[in-house]
Amino acid sequence: GAVVSQHPSRVICKSGTSVKIECRSLDFQATTMFWYRQFPKQSLMLMATSNEGSKATYEQGVEKDKFLINHASLTLSTLTVTSAHPEDSSFYICSASEGQNYGYTFGSGTRLTVV
Amino acid sequence: GESVGLHLPTLSVQEGDNSIINCAYSNSASDYFIWYKQESGKGPQFIIDIRSNMDKRQGQRVTVLLNKTVKHLSLQIAATQPGDSAVYFCAETPASGAQKLVFGQGTRLTINP
Repeated sequence: GAVVSQHPSRVICKSGTSVKIECRSLDFQATTMFWYRQFPKQSLMLMATSNEGSKATYEQGVEKDKFLINHASLTLSTLTVTSAHPEDSSFYICSASEGQNYGYTFGSGTRLTVV
Repeated sequence: GESVGLHLPTLSVQEGDNSIINCAYSNSASDYFIWYKQESGKGPQFIIDIRSNMDKRQGQRVTVLLNKTVKHLSLQIAATQPGDSAVYFCAETPASGAQKLVFGQGTRLTINP
């Protein structure tokens, strides 16, 4: 079946630094990738949708300059949390899809802790 | 607006019993629904899906029911096992042309031995 690899699984960074999270579709071409954030005991909140080769579409309230998304190829999307602060500490999850009539495959998530 | 919510935040059942997890959605035009299972520290795992042109779909030990009249979705798990303990989310694809998936609040299912 479809597999999405997300890396790193855990990361600790200092406040003010930037962190990059990678999301790769291993055995299919992901025309669309999604980035979610999940705080403890809460649901997944969609941050942005990215289509290969075009700018990401951000959900309302998500700062595009803080959460940089790049989807340069059909198998890789990256989320960069810039100038991270402790309140950015969360579980970030990516999802990938081959297209409108295909399902969604989720990565295993990245636990970000900003100290 | 687009939102999917769940009635019960927690549910405890005895091992071997059946469990029913409910979900309400607000967008009557939504056309695709998915149930996910999430274990601690992991990404969501697909369980079963249903499109709006159906009202019932069965998988292995799981059944999803869709009632479009009252905008209600349920997940039935038969003969629950300890491994079924997790948080369950319903998710919805709004029929707005966008492919994005909106998640509900989640229900934590605990299986008691």
